[in-house]
Amino acid sequence: AQTVTQSQPEMSVQEAETVTLSCTYDTSESDYYLFWYKQPPSRQMILVIRQEAYKQQNATENRFSVNFQKAAKSFSLKISDSQLGDAAMYFCAYGTMEYGNKLVFGAGTILRVKS
Amino acid sequence: GAGVSQSPSNKVTEKGKDVELRCDPISGHTALYWYRQSLGQGLEFLIYFQGNSAPDKSGLPSDRFSAERTGGSVSTLTIQRTQQEDSAVYLCASRALGGRQETQYFGPGTRLLVL
Repeated sequence: AQTVTQSQPEMSVQEAETVTLSCTYDTSESDYYLFWYKQPPSRQMILVIRQEAYKQQNATENRFSVNFQKAAKSFSLKISDSQLGDAAMYFCAYGTMEYGNKLVFGAGTILRVKS
Repeated sequence: GAGVSQSPSNKVTEKGKDVELRCDPISGHTALYWYRQSLGQGLEFLIYFQGNSAPDKSGLPSDRFSAERTGGSVSTLTIQRTQQEDSAVYLCASRALGGRQETQYFGPGTRLLVL
């Protein structure tokens, strides 16, 4: 079974600075997807970025980028120019290619942004 | 278009009572998931529906939990004889089917409190 580990329960960043959230996973599959979701206090899970395991190029979405190290099974999220609206719980998720394409989530990292 | 909607937003019930949680997926999405998010935890998979196929119930924690999806659209998650450990946020997600892993879009969840 796949597992996802987020070792940072909480992180803080100064507004306009850069922060990196860590995620590692364990799997025996070679084909899969990885996701970062953001959950603000409203509880709405919002997709931040996704990475396809067969792609070597790291995904980027505006201020958000990932460092995908497949051999190390590491998938960190970098947020540049942090904004107050980035404050939320961030979840790393593994997407299996098995039937159902279920997501396996890490425990989450609370990100606080200081003004 | 409209996103995934869930009702009620919050539900307080007494131990031993039955509860029903509703999910309206995005129109046209044939895949539907239920996840549970316990306090301070990541999301855990409960059940998956895909079209007319038999649902994947492998994540349901006990036989007190059941779910159905009528007409390939709306889904109801039922918890019978609720226990205090059932207190959690229950999130629904839907997904369009594509050639590979498509993004799951989440609803705002139902916060269930069992007294």
